[in-house]
Amino acid sequence: EAGVTQFPSHSVIEKGQTVTLRCDPISGHDNLYWYRRVMGKEIKFLLHFVKESKQDESGMPNNRFLAERTGGTYSTLKVQPAELEDSGVYFCASSHGPYNSPLHFGNGTRLTVT
Amino acid sequence: AQSVTQLDSQVPVFEEAPVELRCNYSSSVSVYLFWYVQYPNQGLQLLLKYLSGSTLVKGINGFEAEFNKSQTSFHLRKPSVHISDTAEYFCAVSDMTGGSYIPTFGRGTSLIVHP
Repeated sequence: EAGVTQFPSHSVIEKGQTVTLRCDPISGHDNLYWYRRVMGKEIKFLLHFVKESKQDESGMPNNRFLAERTGGTYSTLKVQPAELEDSGVYFCASSHGPYNSPLHFGNGTRLTVT
Repeated sequence: AQSVTQLDSQVPVFEEAPVELRCNYSSSVSVYLFWYVQYPNQGLQLLLKYLSGSTLVKGINGFEAEFNKSQTSFHLRKPSVHISDTAEYFCAVSDMTGGSYIPTFGRGTSLIVHP
């Protein structure tokens, strides 16, 4: 089966610009997660979708971040406008469920805001 | 809310030596525990998991971990490491805090295996 795919793998943008990250989960996985890792720190939870519904978005840092999951398939995470502190690696993961199922991760998108 | 502590940011070790990567968590309820590995330029992959039952769990590539409820620990061990084990290792815990089982990750431990 194809794994979790993230695009782009790298993105370098200037402060104030907009960036959209995309994640294609494993087919049939209802659960989709976004995480972020700032260099050297823990992988922090951003939000969780079940199908197309946002189940938990308690980790989203502020309203500059907008996540969507169209039709319960792929997901996008848009940052607008980007700030320097948004730099990091953004990981997407999916799982079939139930709640104790391990996560399947994509390779991440490395975002650098200059 | 739960938290995960991986005290060692880097662990250097020689090939064929044993290694232990430490993980402690804080949670007041029943937990599920995971170790993931990230090789360079790849995503995280599951190494092993503890859901219930035997406190000693075995994973891929010869790794094992022991769940110690009294010490709230889930340390990862391997009796003899290979160069190919050089990677970053993440401990994760999930419980029913806040009504969901969202996994919480530690900051990772970089295992560096020297020849």
